[in-house]
Amino acid sequence: RKEVEQDPGPFNVPEGATVAFNCTYSNSASQSFFWYRQDCRKEPKLLMSVYSSGNEDGRFTAQLNRASQYISLLIRDSKLSDSATYLCVVLTGTASKLTFGTGTRLQVTL
Amino acid sequence: DTGVSQNPRHKITKRGQNVTFRCDPISEHNRLYWYRQTLGQGPEFLTYFQNEAQLEKSRLLSDRFSAERPKGSFSTLEIQRTEQGDSAMYLCASSLTQQGFTDTQYFGPGTRLTVL
Repeated sequence: RKEVEQDPGPFNVPEGATVAFNCTYSNSASQSFFWYRQDCRKEPKLLMSVYSSGNEDGRFTAQLNRASQYISLLIRDSKLSDSATYLCVVLTGTASKLTFGTGTRLQVTL
Repeated sequence: DTGVSQNPRHKITKRGQNVTFRCDPISEHNRLYWYRQTLGQGPEFLTYFQNEAQLEKSRLLSDRFSAERPKGSFSTLEIQRTEQGDSAMYLCASSLTQQGFTDTQYFGPGTRLTVL
């Protein structure tokens, strides 16, 4: 079983739609949680950290459920520029190494 | 530009050749990480340094791979006797760790390796 599991998609949605991505992680000792965005042939960039209380950044809302080891990302009012791969990431151990899911590809269309 | 830089950006080599990649982290960052990303997968951790000390290596890092960070600044990743399975994007990231707290990892643009 992979440490971080995501639906690879692709998710094809029209502009303006709301889309949700989910992710599960297996290591209950994981300390921190993130969503990274990766454009085609580019490096991953931090989109937002994820907290148990839930956090929002503009059109993006992230949620963590430690009991279920489940992380979510909600994108409201999708824009064409949101088209990218969204990577669910957990941070584990004293090394603070990141463990990435395979990513969920989002394509927003007109 | 004060971000993480990597060189070269692309490398094409023949099987059996040795290759070396360089990463220059953000200047005040004391931690440096190497990751590898293959098509359709997320990045996978290879190794990391705190200052000049290499503190952890993944089992993905075979004997053909070696990484150094001799002065605690830039790092090199060398692959000896390359194999076609080494073809991937090699990503470097850096972060600042202080008093037990590790800040966000910032990634460089990566080096894309193609082994023919």
